[in-house]
Amino acid sequence: NAGVTQTPKFRILKIGQSMTLQCTQDMNHNYMYWYRQDPGMGLKLIYYSVGAGITDKGEVPNGYNVSRSTTEDFPLRLELAAPSQTSVYFCASSYATGPDEKLFFGSGTQLSVL
Amino acid sequence: GNSVTQMEGPVTLSEEAFLTINCTYTATGYPSLFWYVQYPGEGLQLLLKATKADDKGSNKGFEATYRKETTSFHLEKGSVQVSDSAVYFCALSDYKLSFGAGTTVTVRA
Repeated sequence: NAGVTQTPKFRILKIGQSMTLQCTQDMNHNYMYWYRQDPGMGLKLIYYSVGAGITDKGEVPNGYNVSRSTTEDFPLRLELAAPSQTSVYFCASSYATGPDEKLFFGSGTQLSVL
Repeated sequence: GNSVTQMEGPVTLSEEAFLTINCTYTATGYPSLFWYVQYPGEGLQLLLKATKADDKGSNKGFEATYRKETTSFHLEKGSVQVSDSAVYFCALSDYKLSFGAGTTVTVRA
């Protein structure tokens, strides 16, 4: 099973450039999430979605946008890249929240903004 | 709001040593508690969980007990192996996951 697939694995952007981080899952999960991981800071939630057509902001949404047109795909858009967005980005999905919650993570995208 | 505090690393151990990673939490209500593990170059994966007070989660020789009286969920393993080298994250869920900062563990042969 593919699980959660993220592309690209690595990317270098110049300040002001834009890009889309792709995320797709084949488990028919309703819940999908984007996190960023900064050294020593754990994971911070950027955006999440509870189903196709429904998205909401997490803790650190500024500078990002998302869409969820299908159950499978949850792309993350950076419109004007800034050095503060240098981080490792993880997409995740789950079939439930609360006591039965279990997140399945992609392998991450390492992004550098120079 | 909900938050998780876990011991800072890095932690370096020899094979067969005992491992403890401390985790305490602050939450309203009765959250579920989790330990996730991140092996080098990979995404996080669920290691174990506990959904109510006094529950013990266990997997791959790791254990953690949900202690409501001390608001803790410490991770333990009696005899670590080199393959246990990873970053370990404590997390809680009250219908939205909150992660701790992670603890890097290195096990030397």
